Amino acid sequence: KAGVTQTPRYLIKTRGQQVTLSCSPISGHRSVSWYQQTPGQGLQFLFEYFSETQRNKGNFPGRFSGRQFSNSRSEMNVSTLELGDSALYLCASSLTGSTNQPQHFGDGTRLSIL
Amino acid sequence: AQSVTQLDSQVPVFEEAPVELRCNYSSSVSVYLFWYVQYPNQGLQLLLKYLSGSTLVESINGFEAEFNKSQTSFHLRKPSVHISNTAEYFCAVSLDSWGKLQFGAGTQVVVTP
Repeated sequence: KAGVTQTPRYLIKTRGQQVTLSCSPISGHRSVSWYQQTPGQGLQFLFEYFSETQRNKGNFPGRFSGRQFSNSRSEMNVSTLELGDSALYLCASSLTGSTNQPQHFGDGTRLSIL
Repeated sequence: AQSVTQLDSQVPVFEEAPVELRCNYSSSVSVYLFWYVQYPNQGLQLLLKYLSGSTLVESINGFEAEFNKSQTSFHLRKPSVHISNTAEYFCAVSLDSWGKLQFGAGTQVVVTP
């Protein structure tokens, strides 16, 4: 069974640009969560999607947004990039997003802002 | 507020020696607990989970963790480590919230010969 796939693996952008990251969950998983990982702040929850609806959101500015498609694939968008947005962005999937289900992570997209 | 504390940021250990990584959480409600491992340039891999039942949970690769409700701890142990266990280990709590894990700061394990 294929795991969680994130594309691209690496991205370099400049301040002010926008970026879109993609995540394909494990087949049959309908919940997709996004996390930001930085050396200073660690792993922080961005948002979660299920059946094309955002059900949960972390404490990030509106520049961070996402969506989910009918096949459960998800995208995350960051607009007006700032230097502090440099991070590893991780996507995770689970069957339904219930608290008793482990999340399975992709290898992440490393975003560097120049 | 709930939080997860990993007491050691880095743990050096010799090959074939035992290791214990400490994790404490604060929560007034029932939680589900997980340990994940992250190798360089990779995502997080699930090591083991506590959902209910026996307080001692084991993984297929020799790790074990014990859930202690009175001490609100979920420490991870391995009796004998290998060079390949060099990685960062994260303790996580699943709270009463869709699709959200709260992570500790991580413990870097460095295994040397």
